Amino acid sequence: GQQVMQIPQYQHVQEGEDFTTYCNSSTTLSNIQWYKQRPGGHPVFLIQLVKSGEVKKQKRLTFQFGEAKKNSSLHITATQTTDVGTYFCAAGAGSYQLTFGKGTKLSVIP
Amino acid sequence: DAMVIQNPRYQVTQFGKPVTLSCSQTLNHNVMYWYQQKSSQAPKLLFHYYDKDFNNEADTPDNFQSRRPNTSFCFLDIRSPGLGDAAMYLCATRDWAGGTDTQYFGPGTRLTVL
Repeated sequence: GQQVMQIPQYQHVQEGEDFTTYCNSSTTLSNIQWYKQRPGGHPVFLIQLVKSGEVKKQKRLTFQFGEAKKNSSLHITATQTTDVGTYFCAAGAGSYQLTFGKGTKLSVIP
Repeated sequence: DAMVIQNPRYQVTQFGKPVTLSCSQTLNHNVMYWYQQKSSQAPKLLFHYYDKDFNNEADTPDNFQSRRPNTSFCFLDIRSPGLGDAAMYLCATRDWAGGTDTQYFGPGTRLTVL
């Protein structure tokens, strides 16, 4: 089945530093979604990217979808302690299923 | 207002004792999912429904069954829970409104197997 590789697995940053997580697939994706899961919580939808080369911003978060639609990234500028959690990418390939990456767990040191 | 509701939030069962987890949604979405999430891992899809059409993932154990009596409700039955089934079970719905494909997760049921 489809696999989505997400790196890094863990990231510790000082508050105010930037953070990036990357998601890669060996196959072309129809779309990619990003979710945030706070400790003890459930995944919460952040955004969906559909178009080749698409870039979307949500305040300090910037999401990119690669030109070949095989990779994506989430970048957080000037992290805050409220950004703590695990960030998952989830890839759609035209079916009802989504394949989740293993997630990047972000820790922010105040 | 809660849109995807899961009950109970915490469930403790004994090894081999059947358990049922429930999920309800107020969104009227056609697609519903059950995921299993173990500590520090990604959600793993167990089943999904499109309306009443049931789709089982190939590697979902036979020990796990599901029912969807109507659009609003979906149940996960674990017939003989083992220690390895202890996990968070997440229900989700899916919508394609406005061209955006979104999954809405419930808060989850944390299952403990003694």
